[in-house]
Amino acid sequence: DAGVIQSPRHEVTEMGQEVTLRCKPISGHDYLFWYRQTMMRGLELLIYFNNNVPIDDSGMPEDRFSAKMPNASFSTLKIQPSEPRDSAVYFCASSLQGDTGELFFGEGSRLTVL
Amino acid sequence: GQSLEQPSEVTAVEGAIVQINCTYQTSGFYGLSWYQQHDGGAPTFLSYNALDGLEETGRFSSFLSRSDSYGYLLLQELQMKDSASYFCAVPNYGQNFVFGPGTRLSVLP
Repeated sequence: DAGVIQSPRHEVTEMGQEVTLRCKPISGHDYLFWYRQTMMRGLELLIYFNNNVPIDDSGMPEDRFSAKMPNASFSTLKIQPSEPRDSAVYFCASSLQGDTGELFFGEGSRLTVL
Repeated sequence: GQSLEQPSEVTAVEGAIVQINCTYQTSGFYGLSWYQQHDGGAPTFLSYNALDGLEETGRFSSFLSRSDSYGYLLLQELQMKDSASYFCAVPNYGQNFVFGPGTRLSVLP
């Protein structure tokens, strides 16, 4: 399997613009997670899905953030409008059901909002 | 909720042994995971302990004591390529993982 695939790898945009990050999880994985990583706050969970259904979005910072998973092989994280404080690396991860303790991370999308 | 504590930095020399500790507070415990992250890279899974005791995987071992809410990652025969950040993580009521702040390991020649 190719692993978790994220795009774009790097995005530079201006404040106020819409940003869409994309993720393809590993085929057959039941869970999909969106994490954000910054120096100040570390790895924070934004939202996660189980079988395409959002389970917990309490980590989504504000209404400017939204995430969807229209099918088992695709998810998006959208920020509209973007702000400089949204600059971070956004990771998508997927996992199998069960007590394995293992998440498979994508390479991340590094977002810079000017 | 869940909270985890780790030392922020550890330094050791090549060939040495280093232990990275993690203490946690959880309202329900399922297990403790460890991840490695090189600069500019993604976190990669190293180990998972659901039961007390030591789990060994090559040069890396992980230990868990549920009664002490404590675990550690032990790295032996350190190599330069082991320089990275190491995170402990606990599941939050199932599959949702909460990560510790990370420990930056520097391996010196």
